[in-house]
Amino acid sequence: AQKVTQAQTEISVVEKEDVTLDCVYETRDTTYYLFWYKQPPSGELVFLIRRNSFDEQNEISGRYSWNFQKSTSSFNFTITASQVVDSAVYFCALSEITGGFKTIFGAGTRLFVKA
Amino acid sequence: EPEVTQTPSHQVTQMGQEVILRCVPISNHLYFYWYRQILGQKVEFLVSFYNNEISEKSEIFDDQFSVERPDGSNFTLKIRSTKLEDSAMYFCASTRDREYEQYFGPGTRLTVT
Repeated sequence: AQKVTQAQTEISVVEKEDVTLDCVYETRDTTYYLFWYKQPPSGELVFLIRRNSFDEQNEISGRYSWNFQKSTSSFNFTITASQVVDSAVYFCALSEITGGFKTIFGAGTRLFVKA
Repeated sequence: EPEVTQTPSHQVTQMGQEVILRCVPISNHLYFYWYRQILGQKVEFLVSFYNNEISEKSEIFDDQFSVERPDGSNFTLKIRSTKLEDSAMYFCASTRDREYEQYFGPGTRLTVT
């Protein structure tokens, strides 16, 4: 069965600090997809990144970076030099290729970035 | 840039009434989804839809719920007899292929009184 765990409920940092959001997943499939979405206070869900299970290469996009470790079933997200505009809830999500097109979201991590 | 749209943005209804939430997915997308998010909680999968039929549904998606793609553009979620606990934000999403990211609409906030 699919499961996504985001153990950090809330994180509070001061602007310019680096912050890492943890995501641990469970799946029986060998082919699956992992995602991160951002939900700012306005409520919409904004796609950040997709990673398939065969691609363990880490990715960097500006101040954002992602570390995918299949051996520990983790897909962690780091924001470097955080900014107030990064304040949001961040969701990690998992889709299994045989999962009937269902995507399971973690509980989310609320990030507060203080000026 | 194409986007998923949802109407209405906010719907208030009385318990026991039927509601229909509407979504217009991105035009070349083939897979469609409904999710709900109770205030302050996580995003929960309700149903996926492909090739004019339900692909998978969660245990939340009971007989009170139904989905339809009545024409080539709209994708609707109907709740037959709303309950107080149906109050939530309902998100529609679409994707061109299930391996790709889902694009989410802005959501419809449903308030059942």
